[in-house]
Amino acid sequence: AQTVTQSQPEMSVQEAETVTLSCTYDTSESNYYLFWYKQPPSRQMILVIRQEAYKQQNATENRFSVNFQKAAKSFSLKISDSQLGDTAMYFCAFLGDSSYKLIFGSGTRLLVRP
Amino acid sequence: GAGVSQSPRYKVTKRGQDVALRCDPISGHVSLYWYRQALGQGPEFLTYFNYEAQQDKSGLPNDRFSAERPEGSISTLTIQRTEQRDSAMYRCASSLRTLNEKLFFGSGTQLSVL
Repeated sequence: AQTVTQSQPEMSVQEAETVTLSCTYDTSESNYYLFWYKQPPSRQMILVIRQEAYKQQNATENRFSVNFQKAAKSFSLKISDSQLGDTAMYFCAFLGDSSYKLIFGSGTRLLVRP
Repeated sequence: GAGVSQSPRYKVTKRGQDVALRCDPISGHVSLYWYRQALGQGPEFLTYFNYEAQQDKSGLPNDRFSAERPEGSISTLTIQRTEQRDSAMYRCASSLRTLNEKLFFGSGTQLSVL
């Protein structure tokens, strides 16, 4: 069975600085999808970034980028130029190639300090 | 509508009562999913619909939980004889098609069973 582990329950960063959130996963599948979701205090669940495992190039969305290490089964999220609005819970999630069940980690609570 | 709509946003009920949680997906979205998110945890899969057909209900905890999507649009998750352990955030998501499509999540229903 696939598992997703986020080992940092809480993190804090100064506004305008860079922060990296860690995620590791376990799977025997060769192709799959990885996601980072943001859950702000408003309780929405917002897709931040998506990575397809067969793509070597790391995904980037504006200030958000990932470091995808397939052999190490690691998928970290880097937030550059942190903003106060980035304060939220961040969830890493795994989706198998022929699956519809997202498997989430337990989340990392990020606080951006002014 | 513009997004996935869930109602009510908050539901407080007494142990033993039945509750019905509603999800209105994005118009035209074929697939609909229910997830449950306990405090401090990531969402966990409950059930999945493709049009009106319930394709997978393996995540439903027990037979007190049921879901339907009779016309392939709005879905209702029903919990009978609620127990305190049912207290959680219940999230609905929809996608245009099944498998690997981007999921759009609703803001959830926070259920508290007293």
